[in-house]
Amino acid sequence: DVKVTQSSRYLVKRTGEKVFLECVQDMDHENMFWYRQDPGLGLRLIYFSYDVKMKEKGDIPEGYSVSREKKERFSLILESASTNQTSMYLCASSTPGGYTFGSGTRLTVV
Amino acid sequence: RKEVEQDPGPFNVPEGATVAFNCTYSNSASQSFFWYRQDCRKEPKLLMSVYSSGNEDGRFTAQLNRASQYISLLIRDSKLSDSATYLCVVNGGDSNYQLIWGAGTKLIIKP
Repeated sequence: DVKVTQSSRYLVKRTGEKVFLECVQDMDHENMFWYRQDPGLGLRLIYFSYDVKMKEKGDIPEGYSVSREKKERFSLILESASTNQTSMYLCASSTPGGYTFGSGTRLTVV
Repeated sequence: RKEVEQDPGPFNVPEGATVAFNCTYSNSASQSFFWYRQDCRKEPKLLMSVYSSGNEDGRFTAQLNRASQYISLLIRDSKLSDSATYLCVVNGGDSNYQLIWGAGTKLIIKP
């Protein structure tokens, strides 16, 4: 069965900290995505990557960066965490048939 | 206007009833359509793709109306376990890999 693994289920960080969210997929997919999900807003795309070392901005990239050094791993970086980045973060990898998501990281910035 | 719009609900439905909800999308060039299910505090999971001719998977039926730009999901003989949020998802038109997500319709099945 396909699997997308996010390193942490819950995180609490302080304002101004640099935060790393890790995502690993075992499906050899080329396309990987980072979303955040907030109540009433649905999933919003932060960044995506369609190949190693390739990245594209999504709809809300401000305050975030990403890294894709290996095909299976796609990392989201909050350069300087702020309280408005408190959210559920979801990583996904995809084929045209649909997305497989990790179980999510609920990040709280205090 | 949002690119993908759904009634947020909640839809409160008795067990065994039939329930249907729609989703409208704004990009007429969209080619791929999906329904995802998301349980509370869990990740979304693919429920079914939506094909032009409509498709059925057990108690679930999905329909696409390109002229009016909406997709629908019908659930027959609803079960308590159907309680979840249902997300309508549409591709962006220029790529099959970039999806636009509705905010979801919450469904509560009552005994």
